[in-house]
Amino acid sequence: DIQMTQSPASLSASLEEIVTITCQASQDIGNWLAWYQQKPGKSPQLLIYGATSLADGVPSRFSGSRSGTQYSLKISRLQVEDIGIYYCLQAYSAPYTFGAGTKLELK
Amino acid sequence: QVQLKETGPGLVQPTQTLSITCTVSGFSLTSYYMQWVRQTPGKGLEWMGFIRSGGSTEYNSEFKSRLSISRDTSKNQVFLKMNSLKTEDTGVYYCARAHRGPKGFDYWGQGVMVTVSS
Repeated sequence: DIQMTQSPASLSASLEEIVTITCQASQDIGNWLAWYQQKPGKSPQLLIYGATSLADGVPSRFSGSRSGTQYSLKISRLQVEDIGIYYCLQAYSAPYTFGAGTKLELK
Repeated sequence: QVQLKETGPGLVQPTQTLSITCTVSGFSLTSYYMQWVRQTPGKGLEWMGFIRSGGSTEYNSEFKSRLSISRDTSKNQVFLKMNSLKTEDTGVYYCARAHRGPKGFDYWGQGVMVTVSS
């Protein structure tokens, strides 16, 4: 199975700050990587697909990048509504696997 | 407008079978893959399996021996059945829509909480 190592597990940041979350895949997954945001009591919401493409309706302050088997989600200017838990998901090969999540809080 | 909604029993006894229905609207099941994902306190988000637009299925081997996914396209419904439930299966179960290709799971249901307890 492909392992997705997500870091950090938690992150405290200030408004307007730049935030970066990473996922390291245990093997090549190409661009089959998506990022999700989950708020308490809600289902995950798609932010980024294909490693770098912004999902419909997602603010442009979110962006995704890839360097080999390392994937990053960047929030360029943190807003209050960005607080939540972020997950990566590889859908390159079954079983699809999620990262363990990054809990983003306001400092 | 795309909508997905899971309905299920809420409480299931250990060793019994879980049945959840995902009812969709705003799109055709014959055009998308439908995924099942669960979120448990012990393992977080776990992909369980999917049914392709053509009707074939793929399962996470973690569940393969006790999981079944099917659909009724005439009713716009996708079904999850899992037998031999354990307390560790307690969690929230989601259905989600996916395109072919690396486009992520773009729409999710609200989820249904399932508690496995006697």
